[in-house]
Amino acid sequence: AQSVTQPDIHITVSEGASLELRCNYSYGATPYLFWYVQSPGQGLQLLLKYFSGDTLVQGIKGFEAEFKRSQSSFNLRKPSVHWSDAAEYFCAVGPFGNEKLTFGTGTRLTIIP
Amino acid sequence: DGGITQSPKYLFRKEGQNVTLSCEQNLNHDAMYWYRQDPGQGLRLIYYSQIVNDFQKGDIAEGYSVSREKKESFPLTVTSAQKNPTAFYLCASSIVRTLGRNQPQHFGDGTRLSIL
Repeated sequence: AQSVTQPDIHITVSEGASLELRCNYSYGATPYLFWYVQSPGQGLQLLLKYFSGDTLVQGIKGFEAEFKRSQSSFNLRKPSVHWSDAAEYFCAVGPFGNEKLTFGTGTRLTIIP
Repeated sequence: DGGITQSPKYLFRKEGQNVTLSCEQNLNHDAMYWYRQDPGQGLRLIYYSQIVNDFQKGDIAEGYSVSREKKESFPLTVTSAQKNPTAFYLCASSIVRTLGRNQPQHFGDGTRLSIL
C-alpha cells in the first residue's frame, strides 16, 4: 500500500528566509507526486506535480520540488518566503493508472517578520 | 470561470439526521472525489466516481452515501450512521488519465459540517 509521511507538523520561518518542507513516500513503483497548499477554510491548490523526467520540477508561486528516488523523497523548497506563503502544505502520491491519491498529514507553515 | 462549487459552506446537523452536501463542477471532468479532513489527519478519501452512474468506496465510506446521476454533480449524504461527522469536507475532480498519466485533482472550497 502507498503511504506519505510529512515529518514536520509545524514549521516557523522568517520572512525572506529559505524553506524546505519534507515529504517521504512509500510505493513499490514510480509514483506520481503532488504538492498542494491550503489556506485556512479553503480548498487545496496544486503547487506542482511530478510524473517523470527531470527530477527538479518548478511550480507556481516560486516553489520547486526535487524527486529523489534513492531517498523516496519529494521535498518542497522556496528560496525566499513571503508572508502570504503562510498556509498548510500537503504532499500526495498516486500510483500509475489509478486516480486515487494518498495524502500526507500536512505541514503548517508560519511566517514571522 | 470553470471550477468546483461546494454548498453550503457551513452546515449543522442534529443527532439522527441525514444531511446532503452538494458538489458541482463545470470543468467537464470525468472523475469526482469526496474527502474528509480532520485536524492532524490530512485528507481521507470517502468515495470517488470515474464515470456517471458508477462510484467506489474509499478508505472511510462507512456512514456515507453518494450518487452520480450527472457528470457535473456528485452529492454526498452524511447519514445518521456516521457517529462522528464533524469535519471539513472537500470535493475534487479530475480528468480521467490521459497519456497514461494521473491528472491533478482540482478542489472546491469545502463544507464545514458541525453537530448541534
